[in-house]
Amino acid sequence: NAGVTQTPKFRVLKTGQSMTLLCAQDMNHEYMYWYRQDPGMGLRLIHYSVGEGTTAKGEVPDGYNVSRLKKQNFLLGLESAAPSQTSVYFCASSSTGGAREKLFFGSGTQLSVL
Amino acid sequence: KQEVTQIPAALSVPEGENLVLNCSFTDSAIYNLQWFRQDPGKGLTSLLLIQSSQREQTSGRLNASLDKSSGRSTLYIAASQPGDSATYLCAAPSGTYKYIFGTGTRLKVLA
Repeated sequence: NAGVTQTPKFRVLKTGQSMTLLCAQDMNHEYMYWYRQDPGMGLRLIHYSVGEGTTAKGEVPDGYNVSRLKKQNFLLGLESAAPSQTSVYFCASSSTGGAREKLFFGSGTQLSVL
Repeated sequence: KQEVTQIPAALSVPEGENLVLNCSFTDSAIYNLQWFRQDPGKGLTSLLLIQSSQREQTSGRLNASLDKSSGRSTLYIAASQPGDSATYLCAAPSGTYKYIFGTGTRLKVLA
């Protein structure tokens, strides 16, 4: 009964370091999303994928890259972390309908960039 | 471009009170609207999804309504309990694939 699993849950980086956040879903969903949540700004879409091998930019894609090599996994990469990327990152997935279906969220990754 | 607004940002009520949370959106060409609950330090849990063809959707003590013509949705919580304390977010579609979220209403139910 895992649903959407995000790893790691917490991470502290120094400016300029790189890291990858992993999102895994076991519901056979086609659509996967990466959001960031900042105080007073709500959730903002970083990148999304409409199926294995596809990716697309959301509202705030700069400084991030993504890959969807397997249907169940969606990776978010930070090549050179900046303090402005300090945030809580959420992964979400939905089934075949995209914005017509319920979104299922992971529990989040708290990232601090010093 | 879809924009979603939630008012009030925070709400504190005594236990047992019925309450209404508001959500407004700018683009009424939507398939549906979703309401979510977020507990501190946790992810979002979908509470209700109202299709554009529906006017209301109910789950237990929760009732959500959708009025596309006015660009509004409301989440009604009956007989509130301390366990209802959380942040409630609404999300409206923007195009085929994406949802746009409001900034949420932080609810505190006092025992």
